[in-house]
Amino acid sequence: GAGVSQSPRYKVAKRGQDVALRCDPISGHVSLFWYQQALGQGPEFLTYFQNEAQLDKSGLPSDRFFAERPEGSVSTLKIQRTQQEDSAVYLCASSLYVRGTEAFFGQGTRLTVV
Amino acid sequence: SQQGEEDPQALSIQEGENATMNCSYKTSINNLQWYRQNSGRGLVHLILIRSNEREKHSGRLRVTLDTSKKSSSLLITASRAADTASYFCATDETNAGKSTFGDGTTLTVKP
Repeated sequence: GAGVSQSPRYKVAKRGQDVALRCDPISGHVSLFWYQQALGQGPEFLTYFQNEAQLDKSGLPSDRFFAERPEGSVSTLKIQRTQQEDSAVYLCASSLYVRGTEAFFGQGTRLTVV
Repeated sequence: SQQGEEDPQALSIQEGENATMNCSYKTSINNLQWYRQNSGRGLVHLILIRSNEREKHSGRLRVTLDTSKKSSSLLITASRAADTASYFCATDETNAGKSTFGDGTTLTVKP
């Protein structure tokens, strides 16, 4: 596709449920990022991949959060045992090179934990 | 924690006026980027300015960067109602791959 695609666009989960959010980056983009955006705030970094290698996961808020990019393309962000504080928009972005180039963002997945 | 802080938090102007938003940050950076976000949508990249650049233009947008003051500004000239959105600055720190965003400036352009 022409841009970064995220699915689902909206997800409602019951507290304690596991969820999986998918990101299809732009083909050929080396870098992939996940961000969490709470209402009224800017995106907060979660984790970063260079190809299939997860180089930085310092932003993951707890060990309930796990991300993978096994073949260096599609990435999945998994949240186990969801809590209400996990409710946010999860944004995925990709960029062509490691750094210094613009990042292209997907539309995000809005997660609501009830 | 956020590195960048935008100022003002909210700005309301009339169509045709210019809008200026400021961003301050704390650490050394490779580059600084400005993004626009319409309500409920993803972020759209506007402009990237590298640490060795002082000013950059793109259409009606003008970005300045002052690394000595650790600050940047985004100027939108001849604003239009369609410019109504939230604007974020994001810094790429030295030797880091990630971007760090501020909390944004919400711009409202009244027709």
